Amino acid sequence: GQNIDQPTEMTATEGAIVQINCTYQTSGFNGLFWYQQHAGEAPTFLSYNVLDGLEEKGRFSSFLSRSKGYSYLLLKELQMKDSASYLCAVMIDYKLSFGAGTTVTVRA
Amino acid sequence: EAQVTQNPRYLITVTGKKLTVTCSQNMNHEYMSWYRQDPGLGLRQIYYSMNVEVTDKGDVPEGYKVSRKEKRNFPLILESPSPNQTSLYFCASSSKGFRETQYFGPGTRLLVL
Repeated sequence: GQNIDQPTEMTATEGAIVQINCTYQTSGFNGLFWYQQHAGEAPTFLSYNVLDGLEEKGRFSSFLSRSKGYSYLLLKELQMKDSASYLCAVMIDYKLSFGAGTTVTVRA
Repeated sequence: EAQVTQNPRYLITVTGKKLTVTCSQNMNHEYMSWYRQDPGLGLRQIYYSMNVEVTDKGDVPEGYKVSRKEKRNFPLILESPSPNQTSLYFCASSSKGFRETQYFGPGTRLLVL
């Protein structure tokens, strides 16, 4: 099977920056997604990386290094509403494999 | 409004009683997929479909069936549910397959007794 690892939990203070790492060992690679999921809700798309480098979207940025099998999601200027699970997912052919998710708690 | 709908949203059933969870999207998407989500295991793909009459297995297809007779619908069938299929199920769709954003339905919480 595919191996996609991310930390289970992270805690940060409102206004701070948090970096969520994701490492993967997979049999192929057609891109890496990050999703946000609030408790009891469906995942929502945050970012997609297929080439190496940094993609920035407002307060959120995502980085990919294919040679290292590594990605991170950077959340800046944290807000209370950013408390959620963040899911890393790797696309292989037409299959999407997810990591177990990282629960981020933002404290005032 | 562009959306993915699932029904039912909550279901309690008993072992062996066949059930179907429906999924429908109104965005004319080609790609549709089913996932289950379990604590500590994350989202796992059950089946996916690239277009009408084209389906394939994901990572955990055992005990499930799907069909794609129309572009908008992608039902998930549990012929003989078992307690280990108790889970939260999500349907998702996207256009042109895998390089596009997937839109998720609201989820179906299933309990098999």
